[in-house]
Amino acid sequence: DSGVTQTPKHLITATGQRVTLRCSPRSGDLSVYWYQQSLDQGLQFLIQYYNGEERAKGNILERFSAQQFPDLHSELNLSSLELGDSALYFCASSVGRENSPLHFGNGTRLTVT
Amino acid sequence: GQNIDQPTEMTATEGAIVQINCTYQTSGFNGLFWYQQHAGEAPTFLSYNVLDGLEEKGRFSSFLSRSKGYSYLLLKELQMKDSASYLCAVRGNDYKLSFGAGTTVTVRA
Repeated sequence: DSGVTQTPKHLITATGQRVTLRCSPRSGDLSVYWYQQSLDQGLQFLIQYYNGEERAKGNILERFSAQQFPDLHSELNLSSLELGDSALYFCASSVGRENSPLHFGNGTRLTVT
Repeated sequence: GQNIDQPTEMTATEGAIVQINCTYQTSGFNGLFWYQQHAGEAPTFLSYNVLDGLEEKGRFSSFLSRSKGYSYLLLKELQMKDSASYLCAVRGNDYKLSFGAGTTVTVRA
């Protein structure tokens, strides 16, 4: 158990809808990362927060947004969902230093029908 | 941007040794990580290299050459449970941790 909690585990929704994925980092970790993993692709970096502030941004679509709250939990909002958004979405947390590894949650499997 | 390359698949026999290579081109360098991921599960941290040389951790070792933009993960005394995807990840100057596509290792009896 990595200590990173993601909810829900599974989500099935229709095209055009909006969903929110939630992540609670390990105790003591200040940094939260979001990744998307599709069947035919590796882990694609979406966005990173550190102590409530956005620190780095990847190829995150404009339909997607995220935030990290004062209690350090984070939410990833996906709107106007398309079939191609179906994927495993991972949250990871770290202490925030350059040499600190990321610890991953078990992911949220999103299926858009 | 960052470009990380690793072989797609490798097969080896139980008890053998397998070496997974990773080459990278990045904007700056602040460390290279190796992760293991079983199908449908979360990646788990294996090793970290920031200085040139070999880091050994039990049956797993990782090597880094910064001048060559090259790393490898060495898995010794392979076990069936080592069948998984192995991900090379590089941290550049921009705090991002970018992952390669992963190498699927199949261990055969």
